[in-house]
Amino acid sequence: QITLKESGPTLVKPTQTLTLTCTFSGFSLSTSPVGVGWIRQPPGKALEWLALIYWDDDKRYSPSLKSRLTITKDTSKNQVVLTMTNMDPLDTATYYCAHSEYKYGHWGQGTLVTVSS
Amino acid sequence: QSVLTQPPSVSGAPGQRVTISCTGSSSNIGAGYDVHWYQQLPGAAPKLLIYANFNRPSGVPDRFSGSKSGTSASLAISGLQAEDEADYYCQSYDGSLSGSVFGGGTKLTVL
Repeated sequence: QITLKESGPTLVKPTQTLTLTCTFSGFSLSTSPVGVGWIRQPPGKALEWLALIYWDDDKRYSPSLKSRLTITKDTSKNQVVLTMTNMDPLDTATYYCAHSEYKYGHWGQGTLVTVSS
Repeated sequence: QSVLTQPPSVSGAPGQRVTISCTGSSSNIGAGYDVHWYQQLPGAAPKLLIYANFNRPSGVPDRFSGSKSGTSASLAISGLQAEDEADYYCQSYDGSLSGSVFGGGTKLTVL
């Protein structure tokens, strides 16, 4: 059974760096073609893809946010970490991590991050 | 503005059939990349509904079906039920952007 869970701060101040951790079980991030992605959803708005890390450490980023994002994995801990720099109130959203084998077949419950001073 | 275009809303009466379109371009759907569909019930995380254009994960009723042609894809829901009221999103890969892209989402209302 595949499960994922996001963790991190619920409130960050503008200009701060957000660090989110996705802890997963039920699969290995060392096996092709597995990946873990991050997707966010501002309140009342659509899903927005952010980043994806593959089993071989290949990394992909949303072009519009690439300069602010870093995705890493710790296979031994079954964790994927997303950092986003220079947070802005417009980054207020629920952040999801999801298991990927070409499609996002399993999602975490999401974590709401509010950006406010 | 999403890379994949979906109608903001669709509606139908119980028992009816509705379709939701997802229009892309030659760098994503038209390039042959698969389209996946997700259902998001109110207050919940998205759930995979259709993968690789027309395949249903285990447990998804056969009332849900997907198709793809050219630069577009469609999700059809037949025999509408009240529990189908949700937001639906299409997703694909974009070769020019080198990453996943989502549609803007479609809110399904069961009248």
